[in-house]
Amino acid sequence: QVQLVQSGAEVKKPGASVKLSCKTSGYTSTSHLIHWVRQAPGQGLEWMGMINPGGGSTTYPQRLQGRVTMTRDTSTSTVYMELSSLRSDDTAVYYCARENVLRIGLSFDYWGQGTLVTVSS
Amino acid sequence: DIQMTQSPSSLSASVGDRVTITCRTSHNINYYLNWYQQKPGKAPKVLIFAASSLESGVPSRFSGSASGTDFTLTISSLQPEDFATYYCQQTYITPYTFGQGTKLEIK
Repeated sequence: QVQLVQSGAEVKKPGASVKLSCKTSGYTSTSHLIHWVRQAPGQGLEWMGMINPGGGSTTYPQRLQGRVTMTRDTSTSTVYMELSSLRSDDTAVYYCARENVLRIGLSFDYWGQGTLVTVSS
Repeated sequence: DIQMTQSPSSLSASVGDRVTITCRTSHNINYYLNWYQQKPGKAPKVLIFAASSLESGVPSRFSGSASGTDFTLTISSLQPEDFATYYCQQTYITPYTFGQGTKLEIK
């Protein structure tokens, strides 16, 4: 069955970087884009960007350009998301999600369990 | 960026009620609109994709519709497990954006 398993919780100081992982299984990892979405405590969902695990191409929102980097390791079917220059408002649960490409529209059909990142001095 | 205006932000209803949640987009997005359900401490789950297509395994009491830039999620008869937060999302153009969410609570 399709699974996205994320790395464990992180605590970081302001100004530091964090690198999260999302290991996929149960499907051909290079056939589906992976997106990252975050959710600050008690807040809504924010799209952080996407990576094509096949070719490695990425798309990021302008507001995160320069701070976010997504990479992949095809040998382990793992996608990584690194966020730098962390601030307190980066405290959130970070999710990876798979894009469904086999039907009309574009939706996220499988999600990881989420990783809590806490930024605090 | 495409703005998503979701309403209401919260809603109290009873089991068996019919409930409607609306999402208005700032630009035409064709049918690239999805609805997700999120329960506390869990990842979102897709209910409706492409404005009106029901995700596999989702009960048929959930439905979606579209009219121009207005999109609607309807739950025909609320069940206890439906009390959650619902989000709309446009995937027409990046940055993909979500509505602010609707928290559905038990009356």
